[in-house]
Amino acid sequence: GQNIDQPTEMTATEGAIVQINCTYQTSGFNGLFWYQQHAGEAPTFLSYNVLDGLEEKGRFSSFLSRSKGYSYLLLKELQMKDSASYLCAVRNYGQNFVFGPGTRLSVLP
Amino acid sequence: DAGVIQSPRHEVTEMGQEVTLRCKPISGHDYLFWYRQTMMRGLELLIYFNNNVPIDDSGMPEDRFSAKMPNASFSTLKIQPSEPRDSAVYFCASRRGLSGNTIYFGEGSWLTVV
Repeated sequence: GQNIDQPTEMTATEGAIVQINCTYQTSGFNGLFWYQQHAGEAPTFLSYNVLDGLEEKGRFSSFLSRSKGYSYLLLKELQMKDSASYLCAVRNYGQNFVFGPGTRLSVLP
Repeated sequence: DAGVIQSPRHEVTEMGQEVTLRCKPISGHDYLFWYRQTMMRGLELLIYFNNNVPIDDSGMPEDRFSAKMPNASFSTLKIQPSEPRDSAVYFCASRRGLSGNTIYFGEGSWLTVV
C-alpha cells in the first residue's frame, strides 16, 4: 500500500524558521516532491529530492532519507506570504505522484 | 509559455446532470494526470495518460466517471450522472516524461453538484 503522513497544521512567526515533516511508505520510489498550495489556487512546485541529503533553494530547503522513508521541508526567514498548505508527494515507478494530506502553515506577524 | 489550461473554472450543476471538464496540457508534455481534491480526501489521482494512452485508471471512483485523451493537446473528464459527493476541485496536470521531474497543475475546475 501507499501511505504518506504530514502534520495537519503548523503555526510560526514571521522571520522564524519552520520544518515540515513528511513520512512515507510507498510501493516503489522515484523521487520526493514538495509543493506549495495557497488557498483557492493550484499546487506549485517547490523542490525535488531523489538522493539522500539536503537540497537548498533560496529560503527553502528539502531533506530526504530514503532508508527512513522521511523528508522535511525547511522554510527560513518566514514571510506572511508563506502562509499556505505544503504538500509532500512521492513519485513511484509507475510515474504516479502520490500526495500526502498537506500541512497548513499559518505565519503570524 | 502557456501553462496547463482547464475549463470551466467553476461549474454548478444539478444532481443527475452530465459534467464535462476539459484540459489542454503544456505543449510537448507526454504525461497527463487528472486529480481530485477535497477537504476529506486531499489530492487523489483519478487517472493518468502517457502519449494519449490511459495507463492507470484505478483511481476513477466508479463507472460514472470516464476520461479520454483523443490527441496530445486535449483531454476530457466526464461525470454522468453527477452526484453531490462529486463536488470537488478537479485538477489536470502534465509533465514531460524523459527529462522533466515535476508535474505542472492547471488552475482547477471547481465543481459543485446540488
